[in-house]
Amino acid sequence: GESVGLHLPTLSVQEGDNSIINCAYSNSASDYFIWYKQESGKGPQFIIDIRSNMDKRQGQRVTVLLNKTVKHLSLQIAATQPGDSAVYFCAEIFNRDDKIIFGKGTRLHILP
Amino acid sequence: GAGVSQSPRYKVAKRGQDVALRCDPISGHVSLFWYQQALGQGPEFLTYFQNEAQLDKSGLPSDRFFAERPEGSVSTLKIQRTQQEDSAVYLCASSLDGGAGTEAFFGQGTRLTVV
Repeated sequence: GESVGLHLPTLSVQEGDNSIINCAYSNSASDYFIWYKQESGKGPQFIIDIRSNMDKRQGQRVTVLLNKTVKHLSLQIAATQPGDSAVYFCAEIFNRDDKIIFGKGTRLHILP
Repeated sequence: GAGVSQSPRYKVAKRGQDVALRCDPISGHVSLFWYQQALGQGPEFLTYFQNEAQLDKSGLPSDRFFAERPEGSVSTLKIQRTQQEDSAVYLCASSLDGGAGTEAFFGQGTRLTVV
């Protein structure tokens, strides 16, 4: 069935270092991939998305990489800050007019 | 308001009680989604509206769950005869036009606890 999963449930990173959060997806026909950040007690917040015809997209301090060959998605956060502490979900959308399918999430913990 | 608003923020229901959860999407947003998020898990899709039309309700776990959006703006998720397994955070999201390919904005959710 549909499945978007993550390699690591928890990631600890030193403040100031770069963070890399990984995700494996199973539906090769998905058209969009999205990263969400969810802080405690809040709803998921859109970070960045990428279409399936791209392999890299950059935002402010974040970069998403898509490797369709191995069905792998990653989120890179540059110069990680305490405010980056949250659970990060990758998600996929089969086509533009469809629902978002979420993975289980990775908790990012920032070490002082 | 500026964002998606959900009410109540918290709801405690006795098993067997009916509950109604409200979502006020961002004004003008066409698409509205409901998700269920169990503790420590990712959000699971429940149902999707485009204006007042319910285009997909494949994620509703049983016929005790019902959602409506009669005028294409505010939506209500109703759960009848609540069970303990219904305890979760219920998230609502809206997006400007058809589908979630455009950026979807989530509310803070309603935390439902069934006792």
